[in-house]
Amino acid sequence: AQRVTQPEKLLSVFKGAPVELKCNYSYSGSPELFWYVQYSRQRLQLLLRHISRESIKGFTADLNKGETSFHLKKPFAQEEDSAMYYCALSANGNKLVFGAGTILRVKS
Amino acid sequence: KAGVTQTPRYLIKTRGQQVTLSCSPISGHRSVSWYQQTPGQGLQFLFEYFSETQRNKGNFPGRFSGRQFSNSRSEMNVSTLELGDSALYLCASSQADRAGYTFGSGTRLTVV
Repeated sequence: AQRVTQPEKLLSVFKGAPVELKCNYSYSGSPELFWYVQYSRQRLQLLLRHISRESIKGFTADLNKGETSFHLKKPFAQEEDSAMYYCALSANGNKLVFGAGTILRVKS
Repeated sequence: KAGVTQTPRYLIKTRGQQVTLSCSPISGHRSVSWYQQTPGQGLQFLFEYFSETQRNKGNFPGRFSGRQFSNSRSEMNVSTLELGDSALYLCASSQADRAGYTFGSGTRLTVV
């Protein structure tokens, strides 16, 4: 069975502090992992995909198959990063399995 | 380039009624998926359509159905509405398998 776990419901950090949003997955196949973000009153949008190995808005995520993790990191948090972040696994074509989400609050 | 468009934005229905939600994907995107978002269950996959064929289905009762037209536009239907069907229904389209989705703003369904 496919499963995505985001252990933190809320992560609160100060502006300029490093951020790490945790994501662990369970999937027997070769996973395709994503991070989606939802800013207040905006639609869910793709932040990054593991396969593209890109950095978007200063965020990066590395797939660790040994630990089955795909944590999202940013070295210096900004207030505009405050949002809900979802980790998702693509299984069976285009079906996405989402984690429960983590609210990131960046305090000034 | 227009994004994913969902109509209507809001709906209020009575228990026992049925409802149809509409989704227009990004031009050129042939895969359309539907998700239900609730505070308690989070984001749950309903079904995916590709070239007018249902390719994947989530664990929802048969009251939930969908279809896709030749222009890739999609509709989902919920019959015999229950209070628990109140949710935000999201449509998303994709250009290719595992390429990532672009989501619409959703339809907020309230069942009273």
